[in-house]
Amino acid sequence: DAKTTQPTSMDCAEGRAANLPCNHSTISGNEYVYWYRQIHSQGPQYIIHGLKNNETNEMASLIITEDRKSSTLILPHATLRDTAVYYCIVRVTNTGGFKTIFGAGTRLFVKA
Amino acid sequence: DGGITQSPKYLFRKEGQNVTLSCEQNLNHDAMYWYRQDPGQGLRLIYYSQIVNDFQKGDIAEGYSVSREKKESFPLTVTSAQKNPTAFYLCASSREGSNQPQHFGDGTRLSIL
Repeated sequence: DAKTTQPTSMDCAEGRAANLPCNHSTISGNEYVYWYRQIHSQGPQYIIHGLKNNETNEMASLIITEDRKSSTLILPHATLRDTAVYYCIVRVTNTGGFKTIFGAGTRLFVKA
Repeated sequence: DGGITQSPKYLFRKEGQNVTLSCEQNLNHDAMYWYRQDPGQGLRLIYYSQIVNDFQKGDIAEGYSVSREKKESFPLTVTSAQKNPTAFYLCASSREGSNQPQHFGDGTRLSIL
């Protein structure tokens, strides 16, 4: 199963871009990279996902390296409400079903 | 509004009791999932279902049971066989297709009295 590696925690100043890295060196060709975030005592919130190309939506941008072994989630103008745990996930697909492996994530602290 | 509803938000159980956690979705999603989260940890998959009347074990299914009699409902029973049931339980759903993102409810926090 593909596994992801993320830093345990990061700080970011309010109004600046937050760049959250993720390594997924064992990713296979048909596996997407997903990002979710979880604010304390709530369910995870889907942010963005991608396969090969960079992606952007109203919440964030996802930059995937050409070899697909790592990616970066970018929150362009971080606010205090972006303080959360961010999960980088590679979806595993196999016969009869699939499962999503959530690691410990990166705890992002946005400071005023 | 469409979404996933988990109830209750907090649940207390006496040792030896079975309890059932509710999960309902009105997103018309085919697939539904149950995860367990312990303090400071990521999520671990308990069970998932891709279609009505069918479900598969995840990584930590022992001590848990599920049913999927209706598309919109996927209740989880925590049985007395689960030796350490105190945790935060999260339900999710997604559209058909392995690349569809999952949408989560706000969780049920289960504690043992």
